[in-house]
Amino acid sequence: EVQLLESGGGLVQPGGSLRLSCAASGFVFSSYAMSWVRQAPGKGLEWVSAINGRGGSTYYADSVKGRFTISRDNSKNTLYLQLNSLRAEDTAVYYCAKEYSSSSHYGMDVWGQGTTVTVS
Amino acid sequence: DIQMTQAPSSVSASVGDRVTITCRASQGISTWLAWYQQKPGKAPKLLIYAASSLQSGVPSRFSGSGSGTDFTLTISSLQPEDFATYYCQQANTFPLSFGGGTKVEIK
Repeated sequence: EVQLLESGGGLVQPGGSLRLSCAASGFVFSSYAMSWVRQAPGKGLEWVSAINGRGGSTYYADSVKGRFTISRDNSKNTLYLQLNSLRAEDTAVYYCAKEYSSSSHYGMDVWGQGTTVTVS
Repeated sequence: DIQMTQAPSSVSASVGDRVTITCRASQGISTWLAWYQQKPGKAPKLLIYAASSLQSGVPSRFSGSGSGTDFTLTISSLQPEDFATYYCQQANTFPLSFGGGTKVEIK
């Protein structure tokens, strides 16, 4: 079964840091681009960051550029998101998502259950 | 950056109704558009990719169309399990972006 399992969320003070992890199983992890998407309480979906299969290309939303870092360890089938200089507006459920293909042109077909980050 | 605008933001409908949701991109995105369904407290679910391709396992009452800047998601006969919020997402260019969502409510 294809599965994504996020961890690492929690309560952090403004200016603090967290590292989110997303453990993948059931598919060839290195063959797919991966993304992080967040959802603030009562709000819509916001794309945060993406990384290609090999980890050599990374992309960020303007709202997190310079503060968040996406990475992956294909030997561990794990995706990461390092969150630094956190602000109250970063409070959200963070989802990791598998891209439908090796590119990011087809949408995200598998999602984790989400991990909650609260900045207060 | 590409902005995605969905309409309406909410719609009230009855079981059996035909429901249409529109999504407009601020610039052309070819057919690089996906649609998702999200229920409260759950992760989004991919319904449609490449504007009109039905994701495996998604009922055929869902369909997507459009290209360039204007896109449509249609539910041909609304079922009780379809009451949810729907999002479009452009997959043409980074940064990727979602529409604001359309909540489909029971009339």
